[in-house]
Amino acid sequence: ETGVTQSPTHLIKTRGQQVTLRCSSQSGHNTVSWYQQALGQGPQFIFQYYREEENGRGNFPPRFSGLQFPNYSSELNVNALELDDSALYLCASTAGTGTGELFFGEGSRLTVL
Amino acid sequence: GEDVEQSLFLSVREGDSSVINCTYTDSSSTYLYWYKQEPGAGLQLLTYIFSNMDMKQDQRLTVLLNKKDKHLSLRIADTQTGDSAIYFCAETLPGTASKLTFGTGTRLQVTL
Repeated sequence: ETGVTQSPTHLIKTRGQQVTLRCSSQSGHNTVSWYQQALGQGPQFIFQYYREEENGRGNFPPRFSGLQFPNYSSELNVNALELDDSALYLCASTAGTGTGELFFGEGSRLTVL
Repeated sequence: GEDVEQSLFLSVREGDSSVINCTYTDSSSTYLYWYKQEPGAGLQLLTYIFSNMDMKQDQRLTVLLNKKDKHLSLRIADTQTGDSAIYFCAETLPGTASKLTFGTGTRLQVTL
């Protein structure tokens, strides 16, 4: 059973650019959620995807968007990058059993200069 | 609203017990979780407790939940150096199983 994998692990962008982060969910998991973890903080919920539809969103602007594919993998897109977008972006998957047992990937560390 | 608070730092000696505390504000929380994060890594689910339970034990880990005081604790027995990490508590509300609200994390330092 493979775990949650994310790519890239590290990347550097400049203000105003766009970024796409990718996530492969754990085998058998149909629900993917994304979190932003700023340095020294706890993760903050961005949004969740279930059956290719956004199914819940946190307090993030529309320039944060996502996709889920038929194989349950997912992308997080961030447009018009700002310095404050520098963070660790974590993807988590769950089998949707209702217990909220999320299994996290190692994250993608984004630095915006 | 949802708010989860934790103390920032805890230092214990190897072999002692560690107790990490967490308070939350939303009384309708359904599940409460403890996650561990090692440097440069993602989050590892340690354990979780359903809100109608008072206690859950899993090997060296004991979770206590006081719903009246909205207080959650994680006790680690026989703490080892490998337990050094940041520990996050988190909650979910009804109908929002993947939307976890995390605390700011407690850094546990285990000394020899």
